[in-house]
Parts: sequence; structure tokens; C-alpha cells
Amino acid sequence: GAVVSQHPSRVICKSGTSVKIECRSLDFQATTMFWYRQFPKQSLMLMATSNEGSKATYEQGVEKDKFLINHASLTLSTLTVTSAHPEDSSFYICSARGLAGADYEQYFGPGTRLTVT
Amino acid sequence: GQNIDQPTEMTATEGAIVQINCTYQTSGFNGLFWYQQHAGEAPTFLSYNVLDGLEEKGRFSSFLSRSKGYSYLLLKELQMKDSASYLCAVMDSNYQLIWGAGTKLIIKP
Repeated sequence: GAVVSQHPSRVICKSGTSVKIECRSLDFQATTMFWYRQFPKQSLMLMATSNEGSKATYEQGVEKDKFLINHASLTLSTLTVTSAHPEDSSFYICSARGLAGADYEQYFGPGTRLTVT
Repeated sequence: GQNIDQPTEMTATEGAIVQINCTYQTSGFNGLFWYQQHAGEAPTFLSYNVLDGLEEKGRFSSFLSRSKGYSYLLLKELQMKDSASYLCAVMDSNYQLIWGAGTKLIIKP
């Protein structure tokens, strides 16, 4: 159990276009979803935390108008990279935390490799 | 500020034992996690410690000392497939995960 999927797994887009990444919890309800970015040979960097039905909380330095996050249901969150630039090329990973009170663990999706040309 | 320290890289031999250390300073503590991450893949959960002591799970064990702000991950009977990055993360008082930079473990035959 506790499977999180991401789509697409890889995407190449042109500079100036927008890209949407989906994160789904397949067999549990995720009250909280997290979006991370990871550059090569670096650790995970939390971009934002989203709770179902409310606005996402963005980390310092992350532009909320550029990285649009929607957590419309307990099983789906989306990250839209708007007006993408080559420096946005990175590995984007989502994770989800469940409803159960003792469920402290974050379950990670497989990640999305974004390349902006 | 919040800080997680772990070595950048370690090398070990197949069949041997390796210990990866992690020290932390965070605002509050709600547990320490170890994750394994293979290149190009998302992290996978290895262990969670919230009380002092050693948690053993097969070839992997994790130790925590809250008073020292210290943890280690012990990997026994190393296999080539254990070559990966190992990430230490602490859950702070806001239940946010604070991540270390990861330790790249290289296993040699």
C-alpha cells in the first residue's frame, strides 16, 4: 500500500511554455502533499506544502506565481511550472502524508524530470 | 537555524559493514528518518526513530541519541545494490521534514 504516482515521468518543453505535473496517492487519502525540487548531486529542497482544499504554503525563495500548486482532492495535487526557463530544469518530486493520526511517513512519488530547452 | 550534517561520500567494500552518521540541530524534534535514493529515482523509506536506541530491520539498523542530536545508519553485509545516496531527515516541531544533503555510498567489489 501507500503508493504515490507522478505524471509525466519525463517532460521536455520549450522556454516560455508551461508544464503541469500531477501527483496522485493511489491507495490512501493524502491530507498533505509536498513538492520538492532536486538539482543534480544536491539534496531535496522543499518548495511548498499543500493541504487539501487550502492554499499551498511556499518556502522562502519559491515564487508562488511561477510554481502554481493545486490540491483539489485528497488524492490529487498538481504543480504547474509557468513560463518555464532552462534554470527550472530539475527533478521534481512529490510526497504525500496520509490521514491516519500516527501516519508520520511521507510516501514519495517516482519524480518528474523536467528539461527546459 | 536548523541544520543536518552528514558526510558527503563514503566508500565501502562488498560484504563489509558501514556506518553513516548524522548530526542535527532543529527547532523541535518529532523523529528522525533515513531514506535511500538511487540515482535518478525518488527516495525510499528505510527507518524512523523517535526514541533513543537502536532499531534493527534486516541488514539495516538505525540508532538515535536525542540528547546528543545524533543518529547513524548501519548497513551490514553490503551488496552492490546498496550503492546509493542515504538521506537523513528530521521532523521538526511543525512536522516539517528538514533534510540533510545526503551521503553518497560507493560499494566496491
